Amino acid sequence: DVKVTQSSRYLVKRTGEKVFLECVQDMDHENMFWYRQDPGLGLRLIYFSYDVKMKEKGDIPEGYSVSREKKERFSLILESASTNQTSMYLCASSSSGIFLGNTIYFGEGSWLTVV
Amino acid sequence: AQKITQTQPGMFVQEKEAVTLDCTYDTSDPSYGLFWYKQPSSGEMIFLIYQGSYDQQNATEGRYSLNFQKARKSANLVISASQLGDSAMYFCAMRDLEGGSARQLTFGSGTQLTVLP
Repeated sequence: DVKVTQSSRYLVKRTGEKVFLECVQDMDHENMFWYRQDPGLGLRLIYFSYDVKMKEKGDIPEGYSVSREKKERFSLILESASTNQTSMYLCASSSSGIFLGNTIYFGEGSWLTVV
Repeated sequence: AQKITQTQPGMFVQEKEAVTLDCTYDTSDPSYGLFWYKQPSSGEMIFLIYQGSYDQQNATEGRYSLNFQKARKSANLVISASQLGDSAMYFCAMRDLEGGSARQLTFGSGTQLTVLP
């Protein structure tokens, strides 16, 4: 079974803090993703990576950056957390290959509260 | 324009009955894939079922089936014989080649399903 593990399930941070959300997958997947989930808005893509050190902006990259130094690990960074970044963050991964049925597998999510 | 629309924020169904969760999509790409995910209160997104735009038959996976109506651009999820454990948020998602990248999925806003005993 594919396992995507997010290091922190619940975090509370102060405004202006630098926040790291870590994600590890154990299936040797090339693609990794960070989504943000908000009520009524569904999941929105922040960033994704298709290879080590490669990244592409998603729909809402402002205020976020990412790092992928190793294939299995994809980090989301909030350089200076703000209250409007309070949300649920979901990491995901998928194998390489651009075919329509390529399933994306998700972690359990990280609930971030910025106060 | 919204690519995936789920018009039912919340749905209730009696245990053992069937329920249909609506999903409409918008794409000009003739090649696309449609997915349904389940998200229990624990937060993890669980893949349920997939339908390709060229698939001749509607996809089925156990108690889940996808009612795919291409001309109407709808991909409704049907859950038969509902169980209490089916209570969760359900998301419809699509992958196409518009915008140049087919790696990610675009999600709808979700439907919260509650199964009543």
